[in-house]
Amino acid sequence: LAKTTQPISMDSYEGQEVNITCSHNNIATNDYITWYQQFPSQGPRFIIQGYKTKVTNEVASLFIPADRKSSTLSLPRVSLSDTAVYYCLVGDMEWDSNYQLIWGAGTKLIIKP
Amino acid sequence: EAGVVQSPRYKIIEKKQPVAFWCNPISGHNTLYWYLQNLGQGPELLIRYENEEAVDDSQLPKDRFSAERLKGVDSTLKIQPAELGDSAVYLCASSLGVGEQFFGPGTRLTVL
Repeated sequence: LAKTTQPISMDSYEGQEVNITCSHNNIATNDYITWYQQFPSQGPRFIIQGYKTKVTNEVASLFIPADRKSSTLSLPRVSLSDTAVYYCLVGDMEWDSNYQLIWGAGTKLIIKP
Repeated sequence: EAGVVQSPRYKIIEKKQPVAFWCNPISGHNTLYWYLQNLGQGPELLIRYENEEAVDDSQLPKDRFSAERLKGVDSTLKIQPAELGDSAVYLCASSLGVGEQFFGPGTRLTVL
């Protein structure tokens, strides 16, 4: 099972681009990389998912290098409302007996005015 | 479309008492998850259902925790008896197979 490592916390300012990097050195061939966001007193919410290269949606981009041993979540022009905990997950997208997603402690992102 | 519904939102009980949490997943989602989340930590999977079958309950403390998902829709997680260390947020999530998980707001349990 691939384990992920993320910074415990990060600070930034409104209007800046924020990049959160996740390390997953033991990622397997079938593993996808998924990021979730969690606000206090709420359940996590899906942000983005990718397998390789770059994925972009309306809220974020996900950069994955060729060796896939790390990934970077990029949040463009953050606002105060982006203050939250961000989780990087690595998991097999094929249903089998080994399917499992391991959630780390996440990265607490604080956006300042 | 309604999201994942959990009840109650908050529960305070004394140790050794039983407690139950209820989850109604998004309509059509065949996969249901129960997680435990301690303060400052990520969610920890307790059990995962595919329809009515528990396909992964390896992290469920079976001496005191039990779960069921009758008819493959709603699910109930029970603790009996509760211990002080069970104080946490219990999250329910659902998905269509192996895909994006949709989480409920959670139930915050306090054991006194």
